[in-house]
Amino acid sequence: AQTVTQSQPEMSVQEAETVTLSCTYDTSESDYYLFWYKQPPSRQMILVIRQEAYKQQNATENRFSVNFQKAAKSFSLKISDSQLGDAAMYFCAHNAGNMLTFGGGTRLMVKP
Amino acid sequence: NAGVMQNPRHLVRRRGQEARLRCSPMKGHSHVYWYRQLPEEGLKFMVYLQKENIIDESGMPKERFSAEFPKEGPSILRIQQVVRGDSAAYFCASSPTGYNEQFFGPGTRLTVL
Repeated sequence: AQTVTQSQPEMSVQEAETVTLSCTYDTSESDYYLFWYKQPPSRQMILVIRQEAYKQQNATENRFSVNFQKAAKSFSLKISDSQLGDAAMYFCAHNAGNMLTFGGGTRLMVKP
Repeated sequence: NAGVMQNPRHLVRRRGQEARLRCSPMKGHSHVYWYRQLPEEGLKFMVYLQKENIIDESGMPKERFSAEFPKEGPSILRIQQVVRGDSAAYFCASSPTGYNEQFFGPGTRLTVL
């Protein structure tokens, strides 16, 4: 069974600074995908970034990048130049077939 | 290019009533997933369907819950004889391939009085 763990229930960052959200996972699959989703107060789930496990290069989307360590089963999200609109719940997720398995989430607060 | 649509957005039911939640996937997507989110928790997988078939229902409670995705029309998640513990946000997601990112609808917030 897949499990995803986010060890930081809450994180805080100053506007324009950089913050890193942690995620570890456990899987027996060799081929899988990893995702970070953002959930603002509207509750809409918004895909932030994705990573294919077979790709060694870390994914990047504008201010968002990941540090994917396959051997350590670690998948952290780095947000650069944090903006007030980044404040939200962030969920790490793993997909090895039929379903997404989500972590418990990290609440990110951005201080002006 | 409409996204995943869910209705209603909010649903209030009294204990013992039935709740029907609808999901229309993105155009061209034939894979539909239902997830439940309890307050202050992550999303938990419930069921995975393709047109007219249930592929994986390992996350569905054994009783009172059912799901379908007919050949025509939206996918339906049905909860019979609701109890207060069913109060949650229910999200539908769709995917074109079944093995890639899933696109989420806005969710239906079910409140059981």
